[in-house]
Amino acid sequence: NAGVTQTPKFQVLKTGQSMTLQCAQDMNHEYMSWYRQDPGMGLRLIHYSVGAGITDQGEVPNGYNVSRSTTEDFPLRLLSAAPSQTSVYFCASSYSRDNGYTFGSGTRLTVV
Amino acid sequence: GIQVEQSPPDLILQEGANSTLRCNFSDSVNNLQWFHQNPWGQLINLFYIPSGTKQNGRLSATTVATERYSLLYISSSQTTDSGVYFCAGSPAGGSYIPTFGRGTSLIVHP
Repeated sequence: NAGVTQTPKFQVLKTGQSMTLQCAQDMNHEYMSWYRQDPGMGLRLIHYSVGAGITDQGEVPNGYNVSRSTTEDFPLRLLSAAPSQTSVYFCASSYSRDNGYTFGSGTRLTVV
Repeated sequence: GIQVEQSPPDLILQEGANSTLRCNFSDSVNNLQWFHQNPWGQLINLFYIPSGTKQNGRLSATTVATERYSLLYISSSQTTDSGVYFCAGSPAGGSYIPTFGRGTSLIVHP
């Protein structure tokens, strides 16, 4: 099915552990973004990419890394998990800058 | 960055009622969009509406770009309309990556 696929859907980490949240889209979208959603805060931009090989920081990038080696994939890496990174993470993509965004179903991450 | 203000923050309706949600931007924006987050957390794109008016069934949206606001109209509301509605836009001349408001939480009672 065409769309944005995020894995895993749920994850529990211990403080200090690292992990990678996966995001893949099969719509040939150039623009991809990672957001985190916390209660009452809306969605805040972590990192984004406007094409393969191009990434940039958003509003809350600290503690996260990204890379974009292919058009399809945009993984988000947590380097050393902290309780403050407990959140729901959404990946989104768009065909171009003048098109609407499609969201994945999210990853609920808990850091203990 | 731009500031995105949504009003009202919370809204409770009886089934069949109409409502208007508003989104104000602190500066000119590109690619204004409206999203619905259902009670299961899924985010659905309702409208891509940088200017003008669009309609999709019982929902319609109007963006007045020169005055930096957008409205989402919900007519004859149904319980399935419950959830959180977000608007988002990116600064004109910027990265074209949307900044989101904090949302309007809507509950529709049967």
